[in-house]
Amino acid sequence: KAGVTQTPRYLIKTRGQQVTLSCSPISGHRSVSWYQQTPGQGLQFLFEYFSETQRNKGNFPGRFSGRQFSNSRSEMNVSTLELGDSALYLCASSLAADYEQYFGPGTRLTVT
Amino acid sequence: AQSVTQLDSQVPVFEEAPVELRCNYSSSVSVYLFWYVQYPNQGLQLLLKYLSGSTLVKGINGFEAEFNKSQTSFHLRKPSVHISDTAEYFCAVSDIQGGSEKLVFGKGTKLTVNP
Repeated sequence: KAGVTQTPRYLIKTRGQQVTLSCSPISGHRSVSWYQQTPGQGLQFLFEYFSETQRNKGNFPGRFSGRQFSNSRSEMNVSTLELGDSALYLCASSLAADYEQYFGPGTRLTVT
Repeated sequence: AQSVTQLDSQVPVFEEAPVELRCNYSSSVSVYLFWYVQYPNQGLQLLLKYLSGSTLVKGINGFEAEFNKSQTSFHLRKPSVHISDTAEYFCAVSDIQGGSEKLVFGKGTKLTVNP
């Protein structure tokens, strides 16, 4: 069974631009969560989607948004990029019933 | 709000020595607890989880953890480490709200296994 895939793996953007990251969950998984990982703040929860609905949201500004499609694939968007948005963005999928989240390799975003 | 404290940011050990990575959590409700490992330039891989039942949980790669409710701890142990265990380890608690599973992570412990 294929794991969680994230594209692109690396991204360099300029301050003020916007970016879209993509996540394809494990087949059959309907829950997709996003996390931001930085050296200073560690791993922080961004949001979680289940059946195309956002079920939970972390403490991030409105510049961070996401969506989930009918095939469970998810995208997250960051608008008006700031230098502090440089991070590893991790996507995780789960069956939503066994409390086990499977993580993708992440997208490394660098904002210059 | 739930929180997780990993007491050691870095732990250096020699190969074949035992290791314990410490984790304490705070929560006002029953929790589910996890240990994840992250190798350089990779995502997180689940080592083991505690949902209920036996307080001693065995995971992959020879790791185990013990849930101690009275001390609100979930320490990770391995009796004999290998060079390949060098990685960063994260303790996490599951914050379940309305069916949504949000993981709250500790700051991580970097384990370095030296020859």
